[in-house]
Amino acid sequence: QSVLTQPPSASGTPGQRVTISCSGSSSNIGSNIVNWYHQVPGTAPKLLVNTNNQRPSGVPDRFSGSRSGTSASLAISGLQSDDEADYYCAAWDDSLSGVVFGGGTKLTVL
Amino acid sequence: QMQLVQSGAEVKKPGASVKVSCKASGYTFTDHYIHWVRQAPGQGLEWMGWLHPITGTTNYAQKFQGRVTMTRDTSVSTAYMEVSSLRSDDTAVFYCARDNDFRVWGQGTLVTVSS
Repeated sequence: QSVLTQPPSASGTPGQRVTISCSGSSSNIGSNIVNWYHQVPGTAPKLLVNTNNQRPSGVPDRFSGSRSGTSASLAISGLQSDDEADYYCAAWDDSLSGVVFGGGTKLTVL
Repeated sequence: QMQLVQSGAEVKKPGASVKVSCKASGYTFTDHYIHWVRQAPGQGLEWMGWLHPITGTTNYAQKFQGRVTMTRDTSVSTAYMEVSSLRSDDTAVFYCARDNDFRVWGQGTLVTVSS
């Protein structure tokens, strides 16, 4: 049981915009930056974007992050076939004094 | 370029210990925290703790306290993570990652616990 809650799956067609949600509480998402990661099975995760919409160099601006209260969202616009992967949200939790992850969302590009 | 290179896969028996290394290159090792993350087969990511490379200070997730030890050797820019009293459900890929936003990841080390 993950501290942050994500839908187990999401899907979209090429070119479409999809969003993935991440629900938490006041001790994590409500008070700390949320980071989003992308993982192709069998490889290491990769940092995509945070809720301040900051992206590492090389990550396209098709990926954007936002937060409202104790929920965060990852939006992917102009969906591409190689966006098919698992996506995870993570945040520091002040009550647990540690990082908490969502359970992951498997994105399928139809 | 900045990278973290981890040690190779391990097979251990229940009750044994395993020590995974994470060698940093392309940046100053002591300037950035190192975190460790576990991923069981087919499962999600689980944070294990962090290591401050200058002081050696650690902060472990409650679940792993008492069974995990994180250390470092600054002379070789390497962080280590040791898990003791291994159980079959410890079978997982262990990742090291740099900074509190996990900006740089190691390639992962598969640890298989099997009798």
